Amino acid sequence: GAGVSQTPSNKVTEKGKYVELRCDPISGHTALYWYRQSLGQGPEFLIYFQGTGAADDSGLPNDRFFAVRPEGSVSTLKIQRTERGDSAVYLCASSLNLGAEQFFGPGTRLTVL
Amino acid sequence: DQQVKQNSPSLSVQEGRISILNCDYTNSMFDYFLWYKKYPAEGPTFLISISSIKDKNEDGRFTVFLNKSAKHLSLHIVPSQPGDSAVYFCAAREAGGTSYGKLTFGQGTILTVHP
Repeated sequence: GAGVSQTPSNKVTEKGKYVELRCDPISGHTALYWYRQSLGQGPEFLIYFQGTGAADDSGLPNDRFFAVRPEGSVSTLKIQRTERGDSAVYLCASSLNLGAEQFFGPGTRLTVL
Repeated sequence: DQQVKQNSPSLSVQEGRISILNCDYTNSMFDYFLWYKKYPAEGPTFLISISSIKDKNEDGRFTVFLNKSAKHLSLHIVPSQPGDSAVYFCAAREAGGTSYGKLTFGQGTILTVHP
């Protein structure tokens, strides 16, 4: 079956622009997670959803970052007024339910020039 | 503050030998620990996990050991194979509450297994 997919795989943008990153979880998975991985570091938690609601958004760095999951499946991570420090690989994961094994997508590499 | 630490950025071993990857943590609320493996341009893949009520979990060539008093865990790979070459991440999860779904990762260790 299909795994977690993320689009685009690469995104290059200019400082100050708005970007949207999309995540398609494994079908039937109720929990969805976003992480960010900077060069030489491990993934850093941003937010997770249980169904449509954000259960924990404590990892979002500031109010420029926002994520939605309106129908409890696909999720979009939105970044406003991008900064060079936002450059990283953004990873999405999903799990059958909260606490189950998290399956990761390949990530979106965001580069802010 | 880095709650999960992997102090060895890289490890090089010979094929057939044992690979030992180490991880330390500081948060006493962590009760479940995982190891993930990551190849370039792919997302991390779950490898093995251990609950805090155990001190050892084994799955084929992979064994994870947990020393709660020392807040230390290790992953042993025996025998090591060239295909094991990847970045290995240690991760931990808290017992409950809103943080239950959140994984905290270490910085990773690059394992290279030479033929």
